[in-house]
Amino acid sequence: DTGVSQDPRHKITKRGQNVTFRCDPISEHNRLYWYRQTLGQGPEFLTYFQNEAQLEKSRLLSDRFSAERPKGSFSTLEIQRTEQGDSAMYLCASSPPLDLYEQYFGPGTRLTVT
Amino acid sequence: SQQGEEDPQALSIQEGENATMNCSYKTSINNLQWYRQNSGRGLVHLILIRSNEREKHSGRLRVTLDTSKKSSSLLITASRAADTASYFCATDVSGGSYIPTFGRGTSLIVHP
Repeated sequence: DTGVSQDPRHKITKRGQNVTFRCDPISEHNRLYWYRQTLGQGPEFLTYFQNEAQLEKSRLLSDRFSAERPKGSFSTLEIQRTEQGDSAMYLCASSPPLDLYEQYFGPGTRLTVT
Repeated sequence: SQQGEEDPQALSIQEGENATMNCSYKTSINNLQWYRQNSGRGLVHLILIRSNEREKHSGRLRVTLDTSKKSSSLLITASRAADTASYFCATDVSGGSYIPTFGRGTSLIVHP
């Protein structure tokens, strides 16, 4: 399968713990996006990378959220000191160099904070 | 905050009928896209319409855009049970960066 992959698919954690999610984009896609989606809502943009550069991070929900894409390939999203309100689906998407509007989404990581 | 708002929130129809859902937005846009999301295939891009276009077709999908009314509609003709999904519009107001803002979606159920 050459689509966008995310790992893990499900994560249950206790409040206050740190969690890290991984996203592997489609090969040669230079843009990578992170979104959060809560029940009954559409995806909410968090941040995006072009290659290894993080070009927009002002919409990360708080300073507990951070993302990296160290070599311009896979990306990680970390949430520190998780809160119950962080429970959501975290989606990753990538897009190719010549068509930035065509986003391909991964299956998401569902986070449950207890 | 949501830039686009879909209407209705939920729609239930019989197979073979047409389904129409609408999206209204608040500020001027560069383009508008429609996505479908179901449990089987996740979120999938359906169609993009640019601000200087008024109508676009893709298979059984027809999208219109009225920038004077700040609204768009998605028509699915001859619906199938497999069209059961949530449909979202996403608007882009950024200057070339493409940062989409999604609405809350319309939940469509197509009964076989």
